[in-house]
Amino acid sequence: GAVVSQHPSRVICKSGTSVKIECRSLDFQATTMFWYRQFPKQSLMLMATSNEGSKATYEQGVEKDKFLINHASLTLSTLTVTSAHPEDSSFYICSARLASLYEQYFGPGTRLTVT
Amino acid sequence: TQLLEQSPQFLSIQEGENLTVYCNSSSVFSSLQWYRQEPGEGPVLLVTVVTGGEVKKLKRLTFQFGDARKDSSLHITAAQPGDTGLYLCAGAWGNEKLTFGTGTRLTIIP
Repeated sequence: GAVVSQHPSRVICKSGTSVKIECRSLDFQATTMFWYRQFPKQSLMLMATSNEGSKATYEQGVEKDKFLINHASLTLSTLTVTSAHPEDSSFYICSARLASLYEQYFGPGTRLTVT
Repeated sequence: TQLLEQSPQFLSIQEGENLTVYCNSSSVFSSLQWYRQEPGEGPVLLVTVVTGGEVKKLKRLTFQFGDARKDSSLHITAAQPGDTGLYLCAGAWGNEKLTFGTGTRLTIIP
C-alpha cells in the first residue's frame, strides 16, 4: 500500500514554456501532499505544502506565481512550472501523507530539463 | 529554521563491515524518519521513531532515537552492496512538514 506516482518521469522543455507535473496517491486518500526539489548530490528541499481544497503554503523563497500548485482532489496534486528557465532544471519529488500519520510516501520523482 | 546535520556526509566501506550514520539537531522532534534514496528515484521510508530512547530493528538495520528526541542513529550490520544509497533522516513537529537532513551517501564495495 501507500503508493505514490508521478507523471511524467522525465520532461525536456524549452525556456519560456510551462510544464505540469502530476502527483497521485494510488491506493489511499492524501489530505496533504508536499512538493520538494532536489539538486544533484543534495538533500530534499521543501517547496510547498498542498492541502486538498485550499491554497498551497509555500516555503520562504519559493515563488508561488512561478510554481503553481493545485490540489483538486484527495488523490491528485499538480505542480506547474510557469515560464521555465534553465535554472529551474531539477529533480522534483512529491509526497503524500495520510491525515492521521507522521509518514510521508514519496513519488518516484520527475527530472525536468529546461533548454 | 530547524537544521538536521548528518554525519558522515560520505562513507565507503567494504562488504561485510558495520557502520553507523548519525543525525543531529538542536531541536526536539515529535517524530523522526529514515529514508533511503537511490539515484533517479524518490526516497523510500525505512522507519519512523517517535519515543525518546526508542530502538527499532529492520533486519540488519538498527535505528535509535535519542532520549531527548534531538538525535538519531542508523546502524547497519554486515553491510551488503544492496545497502548502497543516499540515507536521509527527516524530523517532524506534530503532524507537520518534514525537515530533511543533509544526507549520507553510502557506498558498499563488493
